[in-house]
Amino acid sequence: KNEVEQSPQNLTAQEGEFITINCSYSVGISALHWLQQHPGGGIVSLFMLSSGKKKHGRLIATINIQEKHSSLHITASHPRDSAVYICAVPPNYGGSQGNLIFGKGTKLSVKP
Amino acid sequence: DTEVTQTPKHLVMGMTNKKSLKCEQHMGHRAMYWYKQKAKKPPELMFVYSYEKLSINESVPSRFSPECPNSSLLNLHLHALQPEDSALYLCASSQDADREGELFFGEGSRLTVL
Repeated sequence: KNEVEQSPQNLTAQEGEFITINCSYSVGISALHWLQQHPGGGIVSLFMLSSGKKKHGRLIATINIQEKHSSLHITASHPRDSAVYICAVPPNYGGSQGNLIFGKGTKLSVKP
Repeated sequence: DTEVTQTPKHLVMGMTNKKSLKCEQHMGHRAMYWYKQKAKKPPELMFVYSYEKLSINESVPSRFSPECPNSSLLNLHLHALQPEDSALYLCASSQDADREGELFFGEGSRLTVL
């Protein structure tokens, strides 16, 4: 079974700081998802990536398939970035796209 | 339109009530999913519909009954629920259940069972 580990579990930053959240998984995958969930809210898909790097606004996601590791970076963080960030990968046995294995999430709090 | 719309946003029901949650998407996605999420936990997959047919039921109790009337709409019928069923119920969709692709989630329906 694929295991997903995220670090840190909790992160507090000052507005404007550069933030990095890490995700490691145990078995080879074809793609990895980064998701964002605000308190009490639904989930927003930030990135799906299978190699290299993707950028969207102040968010950057990288993945190293050989090292089974991905990072999510937030540049110039803002209080509205406060949320739980979740890394998720598909099961290594195949199966449905929706049957993702989720990390436990990183709770980010950005102080003004 | 890249939205998945869920209604209602909040629902309070007694253990003898019958209610339904509704999910709608107009992105032409052929896969739709129901998840249950308890506080401070990751989502747990409940059901997968692929091309309007139920393809996965993750051993969900029969008091939860999914329905896919058409490719844009997914319902979750609730009957005789227990207080431990109180949770956030999330709907999601993707282009295809069996191929890699982005998942689009709704805002969720927060259910409280009294």
